[in-house]
Amino acid sequence: GENVEQHPSTLSVQEGDSAVIKCTYSDSASNYFPWYKQELGKRPQLIIDIRSNVGEKKDQRIAVTLNKTAKHFSLHITETQPEDSAVYFCAAVGASGTYKYIFGTGTRLKVLA
Amino acid sequence: KAGVTQTPRYLIKTRGQQVTLSCSPISGHRSVSWYQQTPGQGLQFLFEYFSETQRNKGNFPGRFSGRQFSNSRSEMNVSTLELGDSALYLCASSLGGLANNEQFFGPGTRLTVL
Repeated sequence: GENVEQHPSTLSVQEGDSAVIKCTYSDSASNYFPWYKQELGKRPQLIIDIRSNVGEKKDQRIAVTLNKTAKHFSLHITETQPEDSAVYFCAAVGASGTYKYIFGTGTRLKVLA
Repeated sequence: KAGVTQTPRYLIKTRGQQVTLSCSPISGHRSVSWYQQTPGQGLQFLFEYFSETQRNKGNFPGRFSGRQFSNSRSEMNVSTLELGDSALYLCASSLGGLANNEQFFGPGTRLTVL
């Protein structure tokens, strides 16, 4: 079945450093890859997404890269700030022509001041 | 526009009971998806409704069911509750026309089964 593996499960970085979270998906038919940020006690919110016809997308301090051949995509956060501390979820959408969101298991990012 | 709303926000039930959760999507959104969130399993897809029809289904037992009304509001029902059903249940709405329409999440219903 469809599966998304996400690593690492926890990540601690010093304020100002970069953070990278990686996801691998199983179904090559997936064509949309959003990233969600969930702060403690709050709902997940979309922070960036990428479609399968694009290799990289950047929005200020965050960027996402996609390698369709390897079925791999990553979230990059530069110049991390304490407010970046949260759980981040990747998802692969569109496997086998469906509208299902298959989420990774999440990465808890802690930015140390 | 008002965001996605879910009721109730908190619920305590005992094993064997059944429960119904409600989700009101953003106005104009026709797709509603339901997820179960637990600390160990992350966000697991339950099902998705679009224009009153179940369009996609995850790998949950038949005790989990849902429906969508003509105004796009959706309900999720869990029968014969088990301890393992304790979780945060999130719904998300989107325009629904394309797989890459952004999903907007509600605040969730925290279900505790005793």
